[in-house]
This record gives sequence, structure tokens and C-alpha cells, in this order.
Amino acid sequence: EIVLTQSPATLSLSPGERATLSCRASQSIAYSLAWYQQKPGQAPRLLIYDAFNRATGIPARFSGSGSGTDFTLTINSLEPDDFAVYYCQQRSGWPITFGPGTRLEIK
Amino acid sequence: QVQLVQSGGGLVQPGGSLRLSCETSGFTFNAYALHWVRQAPGKGLEWLAVISDDADITYYADSVMGRFTISRDDSRNTLHLLLSSLRPEDTAMYYCARSGCASVDCYALGTHWGLGTLVTVSS
Repeated sequence: EIVLTQSPATLSLSPGERATLSCRASQSIAYSLAWYQQKPGQAPRLLIYDAFNRATGIPARFSGSGSGTDFTLTINSLEPDDFAVYYCQQRSGWPITFGPGTRLEIK
Repeated sequence: QVQLVQSGGGLVQPGGSLRLSCETSGFTFNAYALHWVRQAPGKGLEWLAVISDDADITYYADSVMGRFTISRDDSRNTLHLLLSSLRPEDTAMYYCARSGCASVDCYALGTHWGLGTLVTVSS
């Protein structure tokens, strides 16, 4: 099983700042990584697929990068609506796995 | 627009069974793979199962293999998950999700999601 590790567990920032979230895979997964945003009481929302492709309707302030084992989700100029939990997910090997999540909170 | 409407959750005793349903609309049902994902209270996301567009291929997480069965009814545009031999640790919100394409290893697990249905396993 491919294990995903996310850091930090919690990130405290202010609106307008840049957020950098990391996801590390236990083995190389090429570009097979997605990022999801989840707010309390809601289903996850796809942000990024295949490491750097924005999903439909996702603002350009969200960007993904990385390959192999190390990936980054960057959110530029944080807006109040961006404070949520973010999960990475790999599809390179079975079973599909998610990271434990990074909670992005308002400072 | 794409919609996934979930039903079937509830309270069930350990060892019991439950069938979850996910009725879809707004897209060509038999052109997409479909997934189930769950989230225990206060915990992260756990992928459970996937079924291909033509139902020929299914995969399961080890934690549910042999106990849960994913299926699809193309005549009703509905995805199902049969949960059996339920354990207290199966207590969670269960989400259905439509992938971005037909194959089980599609670039996107969930371009669209249901709102979730809560399953509570307790005596």
C-alpha cells in the first residue's frame, strides 16, 4: 500500500497570505496525485488532478506541483473561503489511498 | 447538472447488513467509473471501492474486502454498496463519487460527490 504523508498537520495563516501544503508518497507515484478540499459538513471537492491540473471551476490561485514522491499544493492570496482541510490522494497503486489531511486555519 | 443523491444509511447492529444507494442524474451513467469513500467521525477520508463503467472491474480496500460489495444498476442510474458483517469501526459517513472517466484508475476519483449518508454500527 502506498502511504501518503501530509505536512504540516495544521497550518495557521491570515487571509491574503500564501499557503504551501506538502504531500509525500512512500514510493514513486509519477504524477498520479490529486488534491481535495473539504469543509465541515460537506463532501470533498476536487481541486487538482495528475499533480498540477486544476479541476473545472477551480480558481487560478490554487496550483499543484511535484512528481515522484514529493508534491505541493500552493494557494496564493488566501481568501476566507479557503480555510478548510486539504487531502492528497494517489491513484498509482491499489488500494487508492488518501493522506491524513492538512487543516488550514485562520490565524 | 450532475447530481448524486444518496440514501440507505442508518443505525445497524454489529454483524448486520445495510445497502447504500446513490441515485445519479445529469450525465451518461454507464460512461463513468464510480467510487465509495467513507469518513469516520472526526477522521480523514478512506477509499473503499470502485466499479468500472461496464461493471466488469471492481477493486476494494482490504478493510472491506469480502464484507462490502459494490454494484451498479444502469437501468436506474444507481450505484449501490452492500455492507455486511458490519463492525463498530465501520461507523462513518459514506460518500459516493463519480470519477472523471470510464476506467477504475481514472485521473480523478471524484469530480462529483454525493452529500453522504451516515452509517452507525452499534448495539
